[in-house]
Amino acid sequence: QVQLVESGGGVVQPGRSLRLSCSASGFTFSGFAMHWVRQAPGKGLEWVAFISYDGSNKYYADSVKGRFTISRDNSKNALSLQMNSLRTEDTAVYYCARDGSSWFWWIDFWGQGTLVTVSS
Amino acid sequence: QSALTQPASVSGSPGQSITISCSGTSSDVGGYKYVSWYQQHPDKAPKLMIYEVSNRPSGVSSRFSGSKSGNTASLTISGLQAEDEADYYCSSYTTSTSQVFGTGTKVTVL
Repeated sequence: QVQLVESGGGVVQPGRSLRLSCSASGFTFSGFAMHWVRQAPGKGLEWVAFISYDGSNKYYADSVKGRFTISRDNSKNALSLQMNSLRTEDTAVYYCARDGSSWFWWIDFWGQGTLVTVSS
Repeated sequence: QSALTQPASVSGSPGQSITISCSGTSSDVGGYKYVSWYQQHPDKAPKLMIYEVSNRPSGVSSRFSGSKSGNTASLTISGLQAEDEADYYCSSYTTSTSQVFGTGTKVTVL
């Protein structure tokens, strides 16, 4: 069965960096595009970033553009999110998610999420 | 990209039908067939319920159905059950090559 397991969350000070990881199993990782989606405490879902199946195409939400970088290693079935210049408003549960379509159209599986808290 | 607009809450009695609306623009909901719906129980990950406006993934109950008219999409839950009590989010692909989610709707089973 499809499994997505995020790690790397924690408490970090504003302006610092953090790297999230997602380990994928139960499917052919290299055949699927992937997303990161976040959810601030008590708030709704916010799409963060997308990467195509081969890593050649990447897109970001305006709120993180220039600060966050999505990447993948298909040889290790791993997805990453490098987060720099963190702000208090980046505090959220970050979900790794698989794209269920051939291109960006919808998410069909989600990980359980990892909490990132940005606070001084 | 502004969030799609959903009612904050919708309620119904067991067995009834309810409909959740999702209002966007011609740059997202109205411009594409790529509207999806997600169910999220407290402290759980979201679950895909509908994709491409009206398609149900394998394993999702036929009590869930989706539709779209113009810039507004809708999710209907028929034969409401206690287990349907959750938050529901719509989502759409956009002209900005991004995804935009709805504001979320809390469904309460009375």
